This record gives sequence, C-alpha cells and structure tokens, in this order.
Amino acid sequence: GAGVSQSPSNKVTEKGKDVELRCDPISGHTALYWYRQRLGQGLEFLIYFQGNSAPDKSGLPSDRFSAERTGESVSTLTIQRTQQEDSAVYLCASSLAQGTYNEQFFGPGTRLTVL
Amino acid sequence: GNSVTQMEGPVTLSEEAFLTINCTYTATGYPSLFWYVQYPGEGLQLLLKATKADDKGSNKGFEATYRKETTSFHLEKGSVQVSDSAVYFCALSEDSTLTFGKGTMLLVSP
Repeated sequence: GAGVSQSPSNKVTEKGKDVELRCDPISGHTALYWYRQRLGQGLEFLIYFQGNSAPDKSGLPSDRFSAERTGESVSTLTIQRTQQEDSAVYLCASSLAQGTYNEQFFGPGTRLTVL
Repeated sequence: GNSVTQMEGPVTLSEEAFLTINCTYTATGYPSLFWYVQYPGEGLQLLLKATKADDKGSNKGFEATYRKETTSFHLEKGSVQVSDSAVYFCALSEDSTLTFGKGTMLLVSP
C-alpha cells in the first residue's frame, strides 16, 4: 500500500516568508509525528498528534512553528517568518497508534532552504 | 533528558568486512531501542528494534543487543555488502516520540 507522502519535496524560500509543508500519513494510522533534521544533526522531534487528543507540541522550537491535523488524515506544518536556521529536512512519520512499540513509518521529507 | 550518542562517521569498509556501529543512550526509564536506516535518496526505515533488556533485534543480517548494564545498543553485521551503504540512526523511545542519534554514514566499497 501507499506509504507516507510529503509535499513539496523541495522548497526554497526567502527569509521572512511563510511556508507550509504537507504530510499524508498511511491510511488508518492514528498517530502522526513531525521531525526536523538539520545538516550534521540527528532528527529532532517537533510535534505529534494522536487521534483527537491535544497534540504534543513540546518540541516546537519557537512560536513561529505550528501544525494542524484534520482528523486522522493530512497534516500541515507551518513556519512563519522563516529564518536561515530553519533550513533543514522536515520529516513526517505515522504509526498505527502511539506508544513505544508501534513502528513509525517515515515519509521522504521536505528539504527546506531559506535564503 | 533522553539522549543517544553514536559513533561519528563515515565508516568506510570493504565488502565482506565486519561492521560495528556503536550506540549508547541516556534515559530516565526503560526505553525501547531502535536502529533506522536511510539509503541514498530514500526515506528513513526501521531496521530493527529491541524493547527490553537482553533482547536482540535482527534483520537483513544486522543485529543489536539491548544492554542495560552498559546502556548500549551496538549495531553489528558479519559481512557487509555494497548495498548496505547508507546512514544508520540509533534511536530510543520512552513514550511515543523518538530521540535520535546524529547518524553514522557507512560506505562499503567492492
């Protein structure tokens, strides 16, 4: 079946502009996660959604970052007033449910470059 | 807080060589441990996992044993192939989110 998809695959923007990144999880997966991978760094957790519960936003680096999810489907990550340090690959993952035993399936990522 | 430390790369090996990529972790409780792999041009995928002490995860000839006494989860493979060239990430989870190491690039030459 279809895996996690993300769009766009690449995004180049100017400093100060807003960007929206999209994630389509695997159908039936109730948990959805956003991570960021900056050059030379490991993946950093940003936010996760589980069903209709309030999202865990503890990893968002600033109030310029926000994310929404419609039910158990598509999620968008929005970065307002982008800065050069926001340049990274943004990865989305989904899993059947929350919990440490549920494998997270990752999308191919969106490479964001802020000039 | 939780953290994962893995050896820096790149690790460069000849085909059929033995591979070890070290990974140690710090956690407040009893995490599950994972190795993810990212092949060139592809997304991250789970390679193997272990959910409790002394468990051994294995897949595609790779193995890792959850060592609570040394807080380690080293990845090993007895004979690497060119197709194993990729970036390998060690990770842990105590709740729902994953904490990753920085990744180790493996380059295998024929």
